[in-house]
Amino acid sequence: EDQVTQSPEALRLQEGESSSLNCSYTVSGLRGLFWYRQDPGKGPEFLFTLYSAGEEKEKERLKATLTKKESFLHITAPKPEDSATYLCAVSFSGGSYIPTFGRGTSLIVHP
Amino acid sequence: DTGVSQDPRHKITKRGQNVTFRCDPISEHNRLYWYRQTLGQGPEFLTYFQNEAQLEKSRLLSDRFSAERPKGSFSTLEIQRTEQGDSAMYLCASSSWDRGETQYFGPGTRLLVL
Repeated sequence: EDQVTQSPEALRLQEGESSSLNCSYTVSGLRGLFWYRQDPGKGPEFLFTLYSAGEEKEKERLKATLTKKESFLHITAPKPEDSATYLCAVSFSGGSYIPTFGRGTSLIVHP
Repeated sequence: DTGVSQDPRHKITKRGQNVTFRCDPISEHNRLYWYRQTLGQGPEFLTYFQNEAQLEKSRLLSDRFSAERPKGSFSTLEIQRTEQGDSAMYLCASSSWDRGETQYFGPGTRLLVL
């Protein structure tokens, strides 16, 4: 069964301390990989869509990369306002278009 | 784009009551999705519409849940005879085929069943 696994479950960083979040997947054909940010009590906010291995996208302090089996969300010099849960979702070819979500990584950035 | 909107934002009900939630998608999006999310989990797929047609339902979706999307615009999700286990955040998302199927989410409806 196709699955999406995110690690770590929780991450605490000091302001300015760069790090990476991981999203790995077992796949029978990738259609797209999606990253979202979710603040407590709110709906997920779209960040990036990646379609093929080697693809990279950037937005402010965030950079998403994709390989054949995993994606990384790199956070450079994070600020306290980057604190949130980061969700990864993957849609697979050969099935429905419905993305499967991981459980997310809860990020806290201390000032 | 005004974004995806959901109403109400919060709902408290007693066990056994029926509740209905509304979702208004981004206007040019033809696909609409309902998800449920509990604390510490990612969104869990419930059902999906393309225009007015309901194309897929989760095998986990109880018969007490029903969704409609009349005329392919807004959608409603009804839960009959609510149970305490139905307490969760109910999320709606919409997407467009020609935008790579990226889903855009609404703010969610937080349901508490007492």
